[in-house]
Amino acid sequence: DVKVTQSSRYLVKRTGEKVFLECVQDMDHENMFWYRQDPGLGLRLIYFSYDVKMKEKGDIPEGYSVSREKKERFSLILESASTNQTSMYLCASSPPQEVGGYTFGSGTRLTVV
Amino acid sequence: QKEVEQNSGPLSVPEGAIASLNCTYSDRGSQSFFWYRQYSGKSPELIMSIYSNGDKEDGRFTAQLNKASQYVSLLIRDSQPSDSATYLCAVRDSSASKIIFGSGTRLSIRP
Repeated sequence: DVKVTQSSRYLVKRTGEKVFLECVQDMDHENMFWYRQDPGLGLRLIYFSYDVKMKEKGDIPEGYSVSREKKERFSLILESASTNQTSMYLCASSPPQEVGGYTFGSGTRLTVV
Repeated sequence: QKEVEQNSGPLSVPEGAIASLNCTYSDRGSQSFFWYRQYSGKSPELIMSIYSNGDKEDGRFTAQLNKASQYVSLLIRDSQPSDSATYLCAVRDSSASKIIFGSGTRLSIRP
């Protein structure tokens, strides 16, 4: 089974801090994604990557950046955390074929105070 | 803007009955369709994929696809309390390697 591991289950950070959320997958998937999920708003795509050192903006990239230095690892960076970035963050991966769904990590619940 | 629409619910179904969840999508070129189950506080879990018109059965779950009507549904037979969750419909974007998610339908199975 594909495993997608997110480094932290719960995280509390202060406003203005730089925050790193890490995601690692073990199935050699090319595609990786970062979403946030908020009540009533569903899953919203922040950034995605099709390959090492490649990144594409999703629907809500403002206030975020990403890094993909190795194929298995995709990091989400909050440059200066704000309270409106309090959310559940979900990482997902998938193979490159144009079929097949995503496998999600267990999520990181981030609270910015 | 490509969209996937679901009724948010909650949908309440008695234990042992059939639960029917529905979804419509706007991208006429989509070829891949998915249902995810998400328990409260957990991440989404893929439970069904369907790629061609008709029905696909897996245990108590049946996914139905009608591309002409741009309609996907999920039937859960013999509903159990453990089926209580939010069900997300998802559709692969025909012009990009990403999946578009609906906002989910909350299903509650009452004993």
